[in-house]
Amino acid sequence: QSVLTQPPSVSAAPGQKVTVSCSGSSSNIGENFVSWYQHLPGTAPKLLIYGNNERPSGIPDRFSGSKSGSSATLDITGLQTGDEGDYYCGTWDTDVGADFVFGTGTKVIVL
Amino acid sequence: EVQLVESGGGLVEPGRSLRLSCAASGFTFEDYAMHWVRQGPRRGLEWVSGISWNGFITEYVDSVKGRFTISRDNAKNSLYLEMTSLRAEDTALYYCVKDPLRHLPSYYMDVWGKGTTVTVSS
Repeated sequence: QSVLTQPPSVSAAPGQKVTVSCSGSSSNIGENFVSWYQHLPGTAPKLLIYGNNERPSGIPDRFSGSKSGSSATLDITGLQTGDEGDYYCGTWDTDVGADFVFGTGTKVIVL
Repeated sequence: EVQLVESGGGLVEPGRSLRLSCAASGFTFEDYAMHWVRQGPRRGLEWVSGISWNGFITEYVDSVKGRFTISRDNAKNSLYLEMTSLRAEDTALYYCVKDPLRHLPSYYMDVWGKGTTVTVSS
């Protein structure tokens, strides 16, 4: 069972906005940077956000991240059908040595 | 183009061993830490193991400690995962993943391979 909790699913119509939450604790999100990963069906996971709110080159600004205390959020605006898939938060947890931990995952559904 | 290609997966009986390999290209392999991440059936992503750029530091998730060994050969641009005493719960798609930095712990992972499937069953 992951130490980072995400909602099982979120949904919205094309063009709308969805928010994916990631709840952790002081030993992980509270004191470390958060990253987000997109996992579309049949493809390898892809880095979307690193350092809480930085986008790698090639990632559109429809994707944005933020962090407050022991929680983090991924916003997707201008939702597209191609965005449908699973999204995971991730960070380092100091309570478990040098382990990296992923969130439970959220399925984004485009209605 | 940065590329990671995994191989070595397959069907194996419980208690047996398997060795996964990852061939890296398109970047200076010896400059970066590397990881193995897996996804079991109907499960989320799980970090399995990481290794520093020079192989001196290795880390493992508790469930595989003492059974799995991560290693690398920088001269061959290759990453490995030796898996022993395999269990049904090790059944998963195993991804080879690049770190943006040399050392552990990891702050994030920037490039993923497409994975190789391991099935542990009698």
